[in-house]
Amino acid sequence: AQTVTQSQPEMSVQEAETVTLSCTYDTSESDYYLFWYKQPPSRQMILVIRQEAYKQQNATENRFSVNFQKAAKSFSLKISDSQLGDAAMYFCAYRSAGGNKLVFGAGTILRVKS
Amino acid sequence: NAGVMQNPRHLVRRRGQEARLRCSPMKGHSHVYWYRQLPEEGLKFMVYLQKENIIDESGMPKERFSAEFPKEGPSILRIQQVVRGDSAAYFCASSPQGAGTYSNQPQHFGDGTRLSIL
Repeated sequence: AQTVTQSQPEMSVQEAETVTLSCTYDTSESDYYLFWYKQPPSRQMILVIRQEAYKQQNATENRFSVNFQKAAKSFSLKISDSQLGDAAMYFCAYRSAGGNKLVFGAGTILRVKS
Repeated sequence: NAGVMQNPRHLVRRRGQEARLRCSPMKGHSHVYWYRQLPEEGLKFMVYLQKENIIDESGMPKERFSAEFPKEGPSILRIQQVVRGDSAAYFCASSPQGAGTYSNQPQHFGDGTRLSIL
């Protein structure tokens, strides 16, 4: 079974600075998708960014980018120019290409200091 | 374009009662997924449904829990004879086509229903 590990329960970043959230996963499959979701205190689950395993190029969405290392099974999220609104719980998630369920990590709480 | 709608937002039940959670997928989405989030934990998959069919219920407890997605109306997650351990946030997600078709379409989530058992 696939597992997703987020080793940082909590991270802090100064406003306007850059922070990286770690995620590793375990799978024997070669084709899959990876996602980062943001959950603010309102509890919504908001898709931040996604990556297809067959793509070597790292995904980027404005201030959010990933460092996808397939061989190392690592999928970290970098947030540049951090804003107060980025404060939230961030979840890394895995889905096999032929599967139907998302497997989530335990989450990382991100605090942004002004 | 309305997102995934879940209601109620909060639900309080006494032990032994039934809880019914509703989910209306995004317009044009015919695939629904239910997840449970226990306090201080990530979301755990429960069940995946298409219209009138349960496709994968491998994450759903065998007893007291059931789910349906009728031809007309919202998807319903039903928990019978609730116990304290059922207290959690229950999230519904939808997608426009089955995840099993090698689609990179993400699942779009509702705001969740927080179930509290007294």
